[in-house]
Amino acid sequence: GENVEQHPSTLSVQEGDSAVIKCTYSDSASNYFPWYKQELGKRPQLIIDIRSNVGEKKDQRIAVTLNKTAKHFSLHITETQPEDSAVYFCAASGGGTSYGKLTFGQGTILTVHP
Amino acid sequence: NAGVTQTPKFQVLKTGQSMTLQCAQDMNHEYMSWYRQDPGMGLRLIHYSVGAGITDQGEVPNGYNVSRSTTEDFPLRLLSAAPSQTSVYFCASSYSPPGTVGSEKLFFGSGTQLSVL
Repeated sequence: GENVEQHPSTLSVQEGDSAVIKCTYSDSASNYFPWYKQELGKRPQLIIDIRSNVGEKKDQRIAVTLNKTAKHFSLHITETQPEDSAVYFCAASGGGTSYGKLTFGQGTILTVHP
Repeated sequence: NAGVTQTPKFQVLKTGQSMTLQCAQDMNHEYMSWYRQDPGMGLRLIHYSVGAGITDQGEVPNGYNVSRSTTEDFPLRLLSAAPSQTSVYFCASSYSPPGTVGSEKLFFGSGTQLSVL
């Protein structure tokens, strides 16, 4: 089955800096890569996603890039703000034997210092 | 719409007891799933369903049963609780299954914190 590795496990930045979180996946058939944000004590919420036929997607201060050849994708947050502090999860899903399964990475705790 | 409703929010069990975590959604979502969240391990898929009457195993299905008799409900049963099942459990649903090029955004319930003593 699919295996998703996420790095780093913790990330500390100053307000206004950029933050980058990286994930690798194992199943070359995976075709959908979402990112979820979970604030302390809350439920995860989707912040951005990308499909395998797209190399990059941007939504205001958030962008995701995908390298299918290397089987890795990254989340980029620019001009970070204290409210960006949360746990971020990447995930991967695809067809074949992985149909219907969304496999998450281990999570990155992002702390933005004012 | 209430979204995804999970009950109970907290539960303490003794080893060997059984219980059912309830999950209901009112968005007419075909896809429903159960995850457990443990520190440093992310969200791990327990069971999932791509429609009423259809269920399948995820990464960590042992010790859990599910059924999907209606589109709205997807209960998770712990057969004989063990301390290793102490975790936070999330139910999540989406209109389409992940990877099917539809509307795959997962809507999560508020979670159930389960402790097994």
